[in-house]
Amino acid sequence: DTAVSQTPKYLVTQMGNDKSIKCEQNLGHDTMYWYKQDSKKFLKIMFSYNNKELIINETVPNRFSPKSPDKAHLNLHINSLELGDSAVYFCASSHNFAGGEDGYTFGSGTRLTVV
Amino acid sequence: AQSVTQLDSHVSVSEGTPVLLRCNYSSSYSPSLFWYVQHPNKGLQLLLKYTSAATLVKGINGFEAEFKKSETSFHLTKPSAHMSDAAEYFCVVSDENSGNTPLVFGKGTRLSVIA
Repeated sequence: DTAVSQTPKYLVTQMGNDKSIKCEQNLGHDTMYWYKQDSKKFLKIMFSYNNKELIINETVPNRFSPKSPDKAHLNLHINSLELGDSAVYFCASSHNFAGGEDGYTFGSGTRLTVV
Repeated sequence: AQSVTQLDSHVSVSEGTPVLLRCNYSSSYSPSLFWYVQHPNKGLQLLLKYTSAATLVKGINGFEAEFKKSETSFHLTKPSAHMSDAAEYFCVVSDENSGNTPLVFGKGTRLSVIA
């Protein structure tokens, strides 16, 4: 059973399109996150939800909109995709922001390529 | 605010020789510290964590790290490198008392292992 699963694994799309990435966790965690990893491997927090409530919204273009229908799911919708959005997007979950005993559990990533 | 500095962007070792990946942190409170590993085209896996118990922490795959408060360091070591250790390694810090602040990642160190 995959603890944090995100789909799709790969996404190739044209500029201007709208796309969504889905994330689900079966760990019973209260907090979920989206991180963006650029071509230099740098990981930057984008959003965080705690029990379906948006807690963190970093300086991300408003073309990016997270949605959490319940605490086990955190989806990411991106409007009007741009070349600079190409990156690997990671979903993660944890008991709390500090990570607790187990840290954050990450999904396997979604490699988004905008052409 | 907390931060981490990984002192080397790339480390190259021969198979069977020791590994040292350096990390310094900055934190206002008592930090929790983690090391994560990312193999090529994979997600992030927790290697080990320090959460104010023993200062020498043992992780998976023979890795360990020592928390040194006086030096604000949390270096990752392994006595003998294996080819399968080639990956990107991230040092991560969290403050238990910093409220809704997610884990902060270092910029990563790429470990190459030469046969």
